[in-house]
Amino acid sequence: DAGVTQSPTHLIKTRGQQVTLRCSPKSGHDTVSWYQQALGQGPQFIFQYYEEEERQRGNFPDRFSGHQFPNYSSELNVNALLLGDSALYLCASSLASTGTDTQYFGPGTRLTVL
Amino acid sequence: GESVGLHLPTLSVQEGDNSIINCAYSNSASDYFIWYKQESGKGPQFIIDIRSNMDKRQGQRVTVLLNKTVKHLSLQIAATQPGDSAVYFCAEESNDYKLSFGAGTTVTVRA
Repeated sequence: DAGVTQSPTHLIKTRGQQVTLRCSPKSGHDTVSWYQQALGQGPQFIFQYYEEEERQRGNFPDRFSGHQFPNYSSELNVNALLLGDSALYLCASSLASTGTDTQYFGPGTRLTVL
Repeated sequence: GESVGLHLPTLSVQEGDNSIINCAYSNSASDYFIWYKQESGKGPQFIIDIRSNMDKRQGQRVTVLLNKTVKHLSLQIAATQPGDSAVYFCAEESNDYKLSFGAGTTVTVRA
């Protein structure tokens, strides 16, 4: 049973560039959430995708956008990168119909902005 | 707004002893709580969860206690092992689907 997978593992970009991160949910899951985790902090909710639509969003600017595909995989896009966007980006998947909505996390993508 | 926090940022425990990690939350409307373990360089790993209609839930070597009166959550780890060394987060799931995390407690197991 495959868990949540993310790619790439690490990424280095420069200020002003754009980045796309990818996530495949755990087998059988239909909901994907994205989190940003700064060094030494807890994860911060960015947004959640269900049925290919964003159904909830945290306090992140419009530079952060996403997409969910029919196979439930998802992408996180960040435009006009800032130094402060350097963080571990985590994807979590869950199954909406279970009622508990327990979220299972992937290993993350480490983004460094220079 | 809601916030989830842990009482202590670090905990050092002797191998074989029991560990207790505490967490306070502020949103009395929250009805679902989860403990995650995060090892260095990895994503958070689900440990155990509890709903607000329960006071206690047990897993393998772990127990979560929920006190809704004082909005307090704790994780107890029995017979702590070196592999338990990690950062532990409590998270609150609100009715708007997002998880709110505290800053975490770093547990170090002494041999």
